[in-house]
Amino acid sequence: QSVLTQPPSVSAAPGQKVTISCSGSSSNIGNNYVSWYQQFPGTAPKLLIFDNNQRPSGIPDRFSGSKSGTSATLGITGLQTGDEADYYCGTWDSSLSAGMVFGGGTKLTVL
Amino acid sequence: QLQLQESGPGLVKPPETLSLTCTVSGGSISRSSYYWGWIRQPPGKGLEWIGSIYNSGSTNYNPSLKSRVSISVDTSKNQFSLKLNSVTASDTAVYYCARHWEYSGSSYMDVWGKGTTVTVSS
Repeated sequence: QSVLTQPPSVSAAPGQKVTISCSGSSSNIGNNYVSWYQQFPGTAPKLLIFDNNQRPSGIPDRFSGSKSGTSATLGITGLQTGDEADYYCGTWDSSLSAGMVFGGGTKLTVL
Repeated sequence: QLQLQESGPGLVKPPETLSLTCTVSGGSISRSSYYWGWIRQPPGKGLEWIGSIYNSGSTNYNPSLKSRVSISVDTSKNQFSLKLNSVTASDTAVYYCARHWEYSGSSYMDVWGKGTTVTVSS
C-alpha cells in the first residue's frame, strides 16, 4: 500500500491529452513539493517534473504538473505512442515516519 | 555529464547482508549540495526509497527499513554504499542509486543509475 495514491492505469488516443492524479495528505503533498517520473520497461525512472510544475532541461512542454491541496496532477498533451510508460509521483513526507514517498505508479496506454 | 553506476553481487543468501556500491562520475560527491540515495523496485511493483546520505555523512533512512539499513560515503573514491542486513526473499528487487535533492520541502531524484538486480535466494 503506497502512501500516495495513483490510478493503476489510464489510456488515451494519440494526439489527445491525459491527466494522471496523485493523492496524498497534509503531511506529504499538502506541505511539500511534488515530483513526477517516467519509467519504460527495464529502464531506470527519469525525472519529468520537480517542485510541482518545473521541467528539467530537455523535457518537452507537453508535460506539465500542478498541485492543489493534498493532490497533484501530471498532464501530457499531444500524446505519442512513445509516451506509453509507467508514471510515478513522489514527495517528501514530514510525518513521524519522515522520508521520500512514491505513488504506486500509473500505466499509460496510448491506444 | 553526471553518471551513476551500481555494482555488487546479483545473488544474496538469506539472512546475509546485501552490499552495493554506487560510483559517481562526471561530478564530485564532496563538492555537491545534493544527497545521494538508494531506491529499489521489487519485480512488477513500484518504487521504494531506502535512504540517502550527504557528503558530510548525514543520513536519512526509510523508517520501515531503518533497523536493517546502513548507507556510507567515501568521498575519496567518489562512491557511496548500501548495506541491508538480514535479507529475505522480499528484498529481491532492482536497486537504483540516484542523486537526491532534498531541501525545505523540495525532494526529488534527478540523475539515476541504470539499476542492478539483486535476488535473495538460498
